[in-house]
Amino acid sequence: GNSVTQMEGPVTLSEEAFLTINCTYTATGYPSLFWYVQYPGEGLQLLLKATKADDKGSNKGFEATYRKETTSFHLEKGSVQVSDSAVYFCALSPNTGGFKTIFGAGTRLFVKA
Amino acid sequence: EAGVAQSPRYKIIEKRQSVAFWCNPISGHATLYWYQQILGQGPKLLIQFQNNGVVDDSQLPKDRFSAERLKGVDSTLKIQPAKLEDSAVYLCASRGLRDSTDTQYFGPGTRLTVL
Repeated sequence: GNSVTQMEGPVTLSEEAFLTINCTYTATGYPSLFWYVQYPGEGLQLLLKATKADDKGSNKGFEATYRKETTSFHLEKGSVQVSDSAVYFCALSPNTGGFKTIFGAGTRLFVKA
Repeated sequence: EAGVAQSPRYKIIEKRQSVAFWCNPISGHATLYWYQQILGQGPKLLIQFQNNGVVDDSQLPKDRFSAERLKGVDSTLKIQPAKLEDSAVYLCASRGLRDSTDTQYFGPGTRLTVL
């Protein structure tokens, strides 16, 4: 079946540090891949997405590349800010049927000033 | 454009009581989703509507949960009777027809505490 596995948190970084949050997936066919972010007290927001192998999604300094050979979609940012503190969810959609989205468990990021 | 609206934002009830949540999706979005997000976990799909029809309710505990979207616009999710393990955030999301991939827009959620 389809599933998403992401690194456990919390991840604690100092401001301007480099961020990597690992995400791997299991899916049949060619799913679309997503990163969503959830700030405290708010709903999920789409951060970036990629729809086919080797695509790179990017937004707000974050980026992730769809790697079919390693079934991965790792999230990276070169220099994090305190305002990036949130929970990050990796997700996939099989692009078939009802486009059901399967989420990972989430990784909480704390950025210290 | 206005986002997905949900109410109430918070609800505290005792076990065996009933509760209902309301969602108004983005105008024109045909697909509506209800998710359950238990603390420390990712959202889990409960039910998906396409207009006023159910597309997927395979993970909805139908003995106590029900949902409807009678006119294909707003939707209600009901729990009757509630159990302690239903404590979670209930998220509503919608998706537009023009999206060829599953870009969903989420509401702020309703945090349910069952005592």
